[in-house]
Amino acid sequence: QVQLVQSGAEVKKPGSSVTVSCKTSGDTFRSYSINWLRQAPGQGLEWMGGIIPIFGASDYAQKFQGRITFTADKSTSTVYMELRSLRSDDTALYYCAKDPRFQDYTSSPNYFDYWGQGTLVTVSS
Amino acid sequence: EIVLTQSPGTLSLSPGERATLSCRASRSVSSSYLAWYQQKRGQAPRLLISGASSRATGIPDRFSGSGSGTDFTLTISRLEPEDFAVYFCQQYGSSPLTFGQGTQLEIK
Repeated sequence: QVQLVQSGAEVKKPGSSVTVSCKTSGDTFRSYSINWLRQAPGQGLEWMGGIIPIFGASDYAQKFQGRITFTADKSTSTVYMELRSLRSDDTALYYCAKDPRFQDYTSSPNYFDYWGQGTLVTVSS
Repeated sequence: EIVLTQSPGTLSLSPGERATLSCRASRSVSSSYLAWYQQKRGQAPRLLISGASSRATGIPDRFSGSGSGTDFTLTISRLEPEDFAVYFCQQYGSSPLTFGQGTQLEIK
């Protein structure tokens, strides 16, 4: 059973940074890309980018370029998303999600078959 | 980027009825690379359909997807109580992938 387990809720000040983690299994870490998406209150979903954990190679949505970094820790099969220079409109539920393509390293867009439980990030002064 | 417009915004139906949800793209979705998700309150999205019409593992056959080009439909043939939720479409035919704003399916 595939599981993606995310870290807990965060409250941050404007201008600060937040790091959200997504723990996977070793098999998932080695063979699938992990993507990050967010959902602002009452809104739809927004893709932020993806990472191929085994290589540490990332692809970021243009909107977040320069403000976001994905990293991966092989020892714990955990992927991290850091978002910097937080603003109030970054308040959202952040999800990690798995791409179902086995060992596909093309970074082309795809759908997602398993999702983490979500991490609420609240940005408020 | 491709903009997906879902309609209606809210659909009020009774259990046992048929639900038809629409997703229209601002330009053609390559290779019918369109997915549908169900999201219940407080939960992550659940994949229902990929490739416009292929049900994901474990999805009941009362859920079906159809369409191509710019017009796609999710049909739930006979609504069960657990089907009342928000439904999103997503295109992955071109970068960046994008989502519709969702259709809220509520009990009448």
